[in-house]
Amino acid sequence: AQSVAQPEDQVNVAEGNPLTVKCTYSVSGNPYLFWYVQYPNRGLQFLLKYITGDNLVKGSYGFEAEFNKSQTSFHLKKPSALVSDSALYFCAVSFSGGYNKLIFGAGTRLAVHP
Amino acid sequence: GAVVSQHPSRVICKSGTSVKIECRSLDFQATTMFWYRQFPKQSLMLMATSNEGSKATYEQGVEKDKFLINHASLTLSTLTVTSAHPEDSSFYICSAKEETQYFGPGTRLLVL
Repeated sequence: AQSVAQPEDQVNVAEGNPLTVKCTYSVSGNPYLFWYVQYPNRGLQFLLKYITGDNLVKGSYGFEAEFNKSQTSFHLKKPSALVSDSALYFCAVSFSGGYNKLIFGAGTRLAVHP
Repeated sequence: GAVVSQHPSRVICKSGTSVKIECRSLDFQATTMFWYRQFPKQSLMLMATSNEGSKATYEQGVEKDKFLINHASLTLSTLTVTSAHPEDSSFYICSAKEETQYFGPGTRLLVL
């Protein structure tokens, strides 16, 4: 079965420190991986995606993610967190043959403290 | 970037009435749109895939007669919650697919 796991319900980090939000996946076939961010009472905003090519993907607002095939992971990172980064982050996977349906992880709440 | 709008952003209705939610892709054409439901502090649950000019494909467990989906044009899909009940209260989010799925801002439905 296709699935996405975000093992942490919440991540706390001090402003200015690096942040990592973890994501692992399980799909058959080649995965297409995505990160979205959701602010309160809002829809999801696209951050970045991995389809093919370079394993390190750079996205919006200074975020990046590294695709690791051997560990089936796609962790989201940022070198220096901002208080305004505090939000709910979702990892999602689509897969070849999946008619482009996205399977979402449970979400990780990021809290950046001043 | 691609922009997707939803209307209304918030709706309160009485039990037994029907509610229509619109999803529009503003600056691109979308052959495929998706409808999701999100419960408080939970992830998104895909309800159905909406294809322009054809019937929607519903996920297992989603009642197609209760959640009517129409994708009349390449920029508009509608979700109608028929005979709404309090348990239908939720946050409904649509997305439209260009190369990537872009999401609307969501519609909060409260059924009294």
